[in-house]
Amino acid sequence: RKEVEQDPGPFNVPEGATVAFNCTYSNSASQSFFWYRQDCRKEPKLLMSVYSSGNEDGRFTAQLNRASQYISLLIRDSKLSDSATYLCVVNREGSARQLTFGSGTQLTVLP
Amino acid sequence: DAGVIQSPRHEVTEMGQEVTLRCKPISGHNSLFWYRQTMMRGLELLIYFNNNVPIDDSGMPEDRFSAKMPNASFSTLKIQPSEPRDSAVYFCASSLAKRESQQYFGPGTRLTVT
Repeated sequence: RKEVEQDPGPFNVPEGATVAFNCTYSNSASQSFFWYRQDCRKEPKLLMSVYSSGNEDGRFTAQLNRASQYISLLIRDSKLSDSATYLCVVNREGSARQLTFGSGTQLTVLP
Repeated sequence: DAGVIQSPRHEVTEMGQEVTLRCKPISGHNSLFWYRQTMMRGLELLIYFNNNVPIDDSGMPEDRFSAKMPNASFSTLKIQPSEPRDSAVYFCASSLAKRESQQYFGPGTRLTVT
């Protein structure tokens, strides 16, 4: 089983739609969770950290379910500029700083 | 402020040649990571340095790969000899050495081995 699993997509949604991505992780002892965004032929960049109580940053909401080892990202009122690959990231087993990246979910927002 | 700097941005070389990738982390960051990204395998951690010392190199694919960090502002990843299956985008990232510290990625080096 992969350490971090994501639905690769692609997700093609119209502008203004709400879209949700899910991710599962295998290490029950993981403590750090993130969503990174990667534009085509660019480097990954941190989108947001994910906290146990859930957190929101503008149109983006991240949630964590430790019991199910499940992380989600919700994007509301999607914009064309949201088109990218979204990477689910969890700290590596036995390490607080080393990260394991999921393979990413590709999102295309259509006009 | 300058982000993570990588050079070269693109490298095309023939099988058997030595390849050296370079990275300058963000000033003040004391953790440095080398990653490789391919379509098939996604983003994989190759090696991780903390305060210039290699902490975990278990992701280095084989002896053909080596990495050094002679000082806090410079690191190299060397492949000798290179093979076509080494073709990938190689990213360097840096962070502060504390839990949950964000990793900042460089623009990557796109390596093609023919």
